[in-house]
Amino acid sequence: GEDVEQSLFLSVREGDSSVINCTYTDSSSTYLYWYKQEPGAGLQLLTYIFSNMDMKQDQRLTVLLNKKDKHLSLRIADTQTGDSAIYFCAEGPYDYKLSFGAGTTVTVRA
Amino acid sequence: ETGVTQSPTHLIKTRGQQVTLRCSSQSGHNTVSWYQQALGQGPQFIFQYYREEENGRGNFPPRFSGLQFPNYSSELNVNALELDDSALYLCASSVGRGGALGKDTQYFGPGTRLTVL
Repeated sequence: GEDVEQSLFLSVREGDSSVINCTYTDSSSTYLYWYKQEPGAGLQLLTYIFSNMDMKQDQRLTVLLNKKDKHLSLRIADTQTGDSAIYFCAEGPYDYKLSFGAGTTVTVRA
Repeated sequence: ETGVTQSPTHLIKTRGQQVTLRCSSQSGHNTVSWYQQALGQGPQFIFQYYREEENGRGNFPPRFSGLQFPNYSSELNVNALELDDSALYLCASSVGRGGALGKDTQYFGPGTRLTVL
């Protein structure tokens, strides 16, 4: 079965780095995703990583995958007020039927 | 290129009624997936349609049904509404139904907020 867990809240000072953590249970996961949801909006794909990778960097975003521990993290460098949102970790054996965590609410304070 | 659109944005129904939600795929996408997001939760997969046929279903009862049309737009129908059906319903479209390296990434619409009283 699929089970994805995330910490619920993260508060970070503007300019600092944010690290959002996620654990999953399905060892057959092939794709792992990070989505961002702002109030009243749908989900915006931030980045994804394949299970045969350890790390992926995309501008301010760094994704780390520890497949042995089934642990995924998203690091946002130089966090800005516009990064305040709910961040969802999602996994799936294929691109459909994604299983999402409950989301981490990130609050950026000045 | 237009993104994924959904209608209506908000809807209020009473228990026992039926509802139809609509989704227009992003241009060039032939696959639509529907998700239910309850308040404070992550989205839960309902089902996916690929080229007008159902292509996978989550743990939702048969009163949740769908359609996909030749232009790849889609409908989600829910019969005999229950209070627990109150949620944000998200539609996502993709180029394919999955399996290709990142090509079939899903792009989400803004959702329809359904309230059942």
